[in-house]
Amino acid sequence: AQSVTQLGSHVSVSEGALVLLRCNYSSSVPPYLFWYVQYPNQGLQLLLKYTSAATLVKGINGFEAEFKKSETSFHLTKPSAHMSDAAEYFCAVIRSGGSYIPTFGRGTSLIVHP
Amino acid sequence: DTGVSQNPRHKITKRGQNVTFRCDPISEHNRLYWYRQTLGQGPEFLTYFQNEAQLEKSRLLSDRFSAERPKGSFSTLEIQRTEQGDSAMYLCASSPNRGGLADTQYFGPGTRLTVL
Repeated sequence: AQSVTQLGSHVSVSEGALVLLRCNYSSSVPPYLFWYVQYPNQGLQLLLKYTSAATLVKGINGFEAEFKKSETSFHLTKPSAHMSDAAEYFCAVIRSGGSYIPTFGRGTSLIVHP
Repeated sequence: DTGVSQNPRHKITKRGQNVTFRCDPISEHNRLYWYRQTLGQGPEFLTYFQNEAQLEKSRLLSDRFSAERPKGSFSTLEIQRTEQGDSAMYLCASSPNRGGLADTQYFGPGTRLTVL
């Protein structure tokens, strides 16, 4: 079985501050991990994915995430938040050797204050 | 590449009515997925096609739900005898067949269903 836990349903930061969105996974085999962003009334857009190559993954819009096997984590970070980063962020896992179906976390709403 | 499109974007219906949603994937993407998303939750998998073959169905997909992809291009999701609990955003995604589990899924904007 595979699962994802996103700690914090809401994260609030000031513009220019560090963004840290937490994701912990559970998988009995090496996983593929994804971060998606969803803006209001839109579908999900892939930010970045981990596919067992480099553990530090860089994505679009200045986001990156680090795969830490020992901590079963895949936290999303961005050094400096922009107002345009305000959105819902979802972490997802696919179990390698499994099906093509990802399991999504419940999402974290990022709020950016001016 | 025009992206994944879904129609309609919004649907309001009365309990007991049937509704049908359409998804047009990115051209030449042979995998197509349907998800349901309720407020405060991540997308939940409903069903998945590879070309015209429906390969997996979630237990969430009761016998009131049916999905088709007759020619391996667009897909339809039908809900019969709608219930208020069916109110949700229905998302469609497609991905290319590059042979990997990590193939990126491209999502459409969704169809928001409200059952009164």
